[in-house]
Amino acid sequence: ELKVEQNPLFLSMQEGKNYTIYCNYSTTSDRLYWYRQDPGKSLESLFVLLSNGAVKQEGRLMASLDTKARLSTLHITAAVHDLSATYFCAVDLYGGSQGNLIFGKGTKLSVKP
Amino acid sequence: DTEVTQTPKHLVMGMTNKKSLKCEQHMGHRAMYWYKQKAKKPPELMFVYSYEKLSINESVPSRFSPECPNSSLLNLHLHALQPEDSALYLCASSQKPPGQGMYNEQFFGPGTRLTVL
Repeated sequence: ELKVEQNPLFLSMQEGKNYTIYCNYSTTSDRLYWYRQDPGKSLESLFVLLSNGAVKQEGRLMASLDTKARLSTLHITAAVHDLSATYFCAVDLYGGSQGNLIFGKGTKLSVKP
Repeated sequence: DTEVTQTPKHLVMGMTNKKSLKCEQHMGHRAMYWYKQKAKKPPELMFVYSYEKLSINESVPSRFSPECPNSSLLNLHLHALQPEDSALYLCASSQKPPGQGMYNEQFFGPGTRLTVL
């Protein structure tokens, strides 16, 4: 059974600080996705990571993928309040052949002034 | 048009009612998905349609009945639901069906907040 584990599940941080969210998964896959969800809203696609060593950056967020370690990280640089949301990582089950995205439990990020 | 739309935004229904959720996309995507999301939980896949044909049913109870009338539309028909079915129902689409593309980036609609009394 594929497991996708995120940690921490809750993160309270101050504006201007840096932090990293970790996503571990239990099966071989080289396709990992990060989504953002605001309260009561839908999921917004942030990053698609398709190979070992992939790194993508958008604003204050940077995501990376290490397929050998089965680990993805989402690094937050100099956090601002607007980044407060829940962040999900998701992995393709069966490497994408079945269409199942298996989501982690999500990390609820709260950025305080 | 680069978005997935869903109607209604909110729905309250009794356990004996029949209602339908609607999802629409005009991005030319050939795969569409229904997810159920309970509060403070990740989305759970319910159904996948590939080229308008049902390809995955994740052992969903028959009181949920999906329908894909054409490549842009996806419906979810609801009948005799239970209070535990109350959740946010999300529709998503992806450019190509699972296994036929380089990746499976899915684009989500805003969801329908369903309450079953």
